[in-house]
Amino acid sequence: DAGVTQSPTHLIKTRGQQVTLRCSPKSGHDTVSWYQQALGQGPQFIFQYYEEEERQRGNFPDRFSGHQFPNYSSELNVNALLLGDSALYLCASSPRTGASYEQYFGPGTRLTVT
Amino acid sequence: QQQVKQSPQSLIVQKGGIPIINCAYENTAFDYFPWYQQFPGKGPALLIAIRPDVSEKKEGRFTISFNKSAKQFSLHIMDSQPGDSATYFCAAQGRGSQGNLIFGKGTKLSVKP
Repeated sequence: DAGVTQSPTHLIKTRGQQVTLRCSPKSGHDTVSWYQQALGQGPQFIFQYYEEEERQRGNFPDRFSGHQFPNYSSELNVNALLLGDSALYLCASSPRTGASYEQYFGPGTRLTVT
Repeated sequence: QQQVKQSPQSLIVQKGGIPIINCAYENTAFDYFPWYQQFPGKGPALLIAIRPDVSEKKEGRFTISFNKSAKQFSLHIMDSQPGDSATYFCAAQGRGSQGNLIFGKGTKLSVKP
């Protein structure tokens, strides 16, 4: 049973550029959440996608946007990159139905903005 | 405003010891409290979680103690091993807020052989 997968593993971008990160949820999960983890900090919630729509959003600017596809995979897009966007970007999946709140994280994409 | 406060920031114990990591929260709407373990270069892995209707939950060597009145919860690791050396995060999630986990700042645990 494949867990949550993310690509790419590492990425280096220049300030002002745009980046797209990808995530495939765990088998049987239909909800994807994205988090940003700065070095030495806990993950911070960016947004959540379910049924191809953004359902919840954390305190992140509109430069951060996303998409969910019919197969439940998801993309995170960040425009006009800033040095402060350098972080580990984590995708987590969960089943929407039922009482379970469990979220399972992927290995993350390490983004470095120079 | 930090909604989940975690302590200590770092912790060193000898093999076989029982490290204890503490978290406190303010928002009474939180109703799900997971703990995650993260190794360097990896994503967080779900260890154990608790709901406010129970005071303690055990899974293997990991135990969560929950004090609803004090709005505090803690992770105990029994018979700790060097392989438990990692960063541990507590988190909280609110009722009807399935996507939004609020994390503590983490505790870096080192278990010495």
